[in-house]
Amino acid sequence: NAGVMQNPRHLVRRRGQEARLRCSPMKGHSHVYWYRQLPEEGLKFMVYLQKENIIDESGMPKERFSAEFPKEGPSILRIQQVVRGDSAAYFCANSRGNFQETQYFGPGTRLLVL
Amino acid sequence: DAKTTQPPSMDCAEGRAANLPCNHSTISGNEYVYWYRQIHSQGPQYIIHGLKNNETNEMASLIITEDRKSSTLILPHATLRDTAVYYCIVRVAVGGGADGLTFGKGTHLIIQP
Repeated sequence: NAGVMQNPRHLVRRRGQEARLRCSPMKGHSHVYWYRQLPEEGLKFMVYLQKENIIDESGMPKERFSAEFPKEGPSILRIQQVVRGDSAAYFCANSRGNFQETQYFGPGTRLLVL
Repeated sequence: DAKTTQPPSMDCAEGRAANLPCNHSTISGNEYVYWYRQIHSQGPQYIIHGLKNNETNEMASLIITEDRKSSTLILPHATLRDTAVYYCIVRVAVGGGADGLTFGKGTHLIIQP
C-alpha cells in the first residue's frame, strides 16, 4: 500500500443518504481503479479512470453509483441513496499507466449502512 | 484474462519456506502472472509478477514453468505476519491502458508458530 490515500477509512451512513469515498493516488500515478469487497467475498473490479475520463465502468452497478477523477483533486466514488447491501470495503488502486501497469492499493474505506 | 486455480488453504510452519501453487493452463503469450496478498481487512499488497522468467524480489520468488501453465510463489522464510490470502492473477499488461484485476478466491495461507 505504497502511498495511495483513501478517506475516510470508516464511513457510517443511514439508508437513503449519500456516501462519498475519496482516493488520492501516488504522485505520478494517473490511473485509478475502484474495487468493492462485500463481506466474506472477493474483490470485484468496479471502474477504471484516468484524469477526467472514465475508461472502463463495466463493473459499476447501473444505478446510484458514479465515479470521477477530476483534473485537480482526488478521485471520488459516489453512492447515492445507500442501501444496506452497499456495506462493504471499497479499495482504490493506482498505476502509472505505462507498460506493465502494476496496481498498488490503498487501505480502503469501510462503509457501513445502518 | 486467463482463469487461475489455487488451493483454498495451506498451512506452513514459521521459519520454513511457503510454496503457493497456481495453475493457469489457458494463459496466453502476452499475459503476465501477478501475485497479491491481502492481510485481514487491509488493502491488497502487490508481491511480484513475471512473464516467463523466474523473478525474485525482497518479498518472494516467482517460479513459472517452461510451458507457463503453472507457477509457484515462494516465501523463503515465512513469519506469522505472512498469514494472509494470496491471489494469483493472470492479466494482459499493455501500454496505454489496462483493465481491472480479476481476483479469485485465492489461497488462505496460515503460518503456524
